Amino acid sequence: AQKITQTQPGMFVQEKEAVTLDCTYDTSDPSYGLFWYKQPSSGEMIFLIYQGSYDQQNATEGRYSLNFQKARKSANLVISASQLGDSAMYFCAMREGRGGSNYKLTFGKGTLLTVNP
Amino acid sequence: GAGVSQTPSNKVTEKGKYVELRCDPISGHTALYWYRQSLGQGPEFLIYFQGTGAADDSGLPNDRFFAVRPEGSVSTLKIQRTERGDSAVYLCASSLTATGETQYFGPGTRLLVL
Repeated sequence: AQKITQTQPGMFVQEKEAVTLDCTYDTSDPSYGLFWYKQPSSGEMIFLIYQGSYDQQNATEGRYSLNFQKARKSANLVISASQLGDSAMYFCAMREGRGGSNYKLTFGKGTLLTVNP
Repeated sequence: GAGVSQTPSNKVTEKGKYVELRCDPISGHTALYWYRQSLGQGPEFLIYFQGTGAADDSGLPNDRFFAVRPEGSVSTLKIQRTERGDSAVYLCASSLTATGETQYFGPGTRLLVL
């Protein structure tokens, strides 16, 4: 089974509108972390936001927020007030376990976001 | 401060040749990771270094792949007898320590094996 599933290969949004990128995950480990990265056409993976499995509040970083629904095993990224520069691939990733084992990131296949002017 | 850097940014080689890809992590980061990203996929884990030692090389696809980090800073990923299937973007990341820390990625090296 896929550990990280991103069901939207591509998404379109109008500039200044909000958009939600979906991510569901599969793990039996009670301790895990969820990440979102942005990959522009230049190729670099840019860290956006992190949510820990024990965090009570949804994570927010500027225009990015993570809609964490633990029972549904979903960790959707919400981008508010989209900008043209937000056009990129977006990857959801998970790190499982505690202590010395929780370093390996498992990524989804990504969602290509296009922001239209 | 400076982020993770990788050289070369692009590498074209012929099948059967040897290549080296270099990663310079963020200063002070003790943990270093290599990932491989094939076209249309997310990155896949290859190897993780804590300091100078390879703590986990379980993601290396076969024994043609090898990586070193002799002084605990710069790392080199080495691929022997390259095959067309090795064509991919090779991403390097580093983190302050290994456990529970955010990984910061470099721009990647695009490897094309003809």
